[in-house]
Amino acid sequence: GEDVEQSLFLSVREGDSSVINCTYTDSSSTYLYWYKQEPGAGLQLLTYIFSNMDMKQDQRLTVLLNKKDKHLSLRIADTQTGDSAIYFCAEGPSGGSYIPTFGRGTSLIVHP
Amino acid sequence: DAGVIQSPRHEVTEMGQEVTLRCKPISGHNSLFWYRQTMMRGLELLIYFNNNVPIDDSGMPEDRFSAKMPNASFSTLKIQPSEPRDSAVYFCASERGGGQPQHFGDGTRLSIL
Repeated sequence: GEDVEQSLFLSVREGDSSVINCTYTDSSSTYLYWYKQEPGAGLQLLTYIFSNMDMKQDQRLTVLLNKKDKHLSLRIADTQTGDSAIYFCAEGPSGGSYIPTFGRGTSLIVHP
Repeated sequence: DAGVIQSPRHEVTEMGQEVTLRCKPISGHNSLFWYRQTMMRGLELLIYFNNNVPIDDSGMPEDRFSAKMPNASFSTLKIQPSEPRDSAVYFCASERGGGQPQHFGDGTRLSIL
């Protein structure tokens, strides 16, 4: 079955760049998503990339997709304390299933 | 766009009681999902509706859990009887369909004593 893997924690200094990595197994996924979850809130869509793209940039966010290695990354430039949250990678849909598969989430801690 | 609305935000009840969680999806969204989030298991899909019809309920833990979607603007998740191990944050999400990104509610934090 599908599987999405992420490291559980990442700690960075304010002002540095953060890179959150994700690997997935289903090569037929149409979209790959990044969601952000702040304490006490639901998951909020940050950005997503079509599987036929290599890169997508949106202000401080850069998404890189390596389809060959099934590797997705999210880079946050000039990381701020307000970026501290849990970041989820997700893939889908594929093979007729519209149910996305989520990773366990990466807790990003930004310290001064 | 009011977003996905869940109620209640918090629920504390004693084991054995019936619990009903409610969700109002975004208008025009065809698909609705119920998830459960815990530290141990992360985010788990419980059930998925498309056009008000349950499509995949393989994630529903056991017969104590049931979900309904009587119309396009309302869904419920019911636990009867509730147990302490049901304590978690329950999220509802909706999407337009066809793999479009999901929009999540703020969740219901459920504590079963």
